[in-house]
Amino acid sequence: SQQGEEDPQALSIQEGENATMNCSYKTSINNLQWYRQNSGRGLVHLILIRSNEREKHSGRLRVTLDTSKKSSSLLITASRAADTASYFCATDAKKSGYSTLTFGKGTMLLVSP
Amino acid sequence: EAQVTQNPRYLITVTGKKLTVTCSQNMNHEYMSWYRQDPGLGLRQIYYSMNVEVTDKGDVPEGYKVSRKEKRNFPLILESPSPNQTSLYFCASSLGLGEISYEQYFGPGTRLTVT
Repeated sequence: SQQGEEDPQALSIQEGENATMNCSYKTSINNLQWYRQNSGRGLVHLILIRSNEREKHSGRLRVTLDTSKKSSSLLITASRAADTASYFCATDAKKSGYSTLTFGKGTMLLVSP
Repeated sequence: EAQVTQNPRYLITVTGKKLTVTCSQNMNHEYMSWYRQDPGLGLRQIYYSMNVEVTDKGDVPEGYKVSRKEKRNFPLILESPSPNQTSLYFCASSLGLGEISYEQYFGPGTRLTVT
């Protein structure tokens, strides 16, 4: 079953604007991770936020986590055309005694020059 | 260079012909995993392995087998492929998951078509 669900499914913005993507999940988690995928290629890790953290920054990326609402957001500031990609949240949670990483369906971001 | 490699990258095969997709990592990672990606469904986990000889089913294990005889390799086996296994497959590895969790490194993907 899908643990994380991203919103919106697709987002189209102009270069220089900020892009915000949201992720909701259902059960308790160890941490939440965000990944990026350029069309048809392997996913690349962007940022990991632990369940006891509320906010984390990495360059132009800002991630928040609200465990009470079971939600996270990824903000990309001053977007560039090169940011065009699909973005996935993934939740690390225990299942059947082991921790596994479960991905959402992704948000497709298009940044136009 | 730290990487996850998959072979083949592209494969077209026929229903029922057994195939293996290899996955290898050179980072001494304990955790390895296989995912399939289908349009509109995102990534779904097929199988994962916490360490050598320790494997478990993910969300969509039917029709697949795996083995983890050595730390670096985690092959995905389709004993009798069917057209509904046409998909883009990704192998990933990580130092581990859980309370102390690490990022996953993904392979480049294997595009499989079963006719």
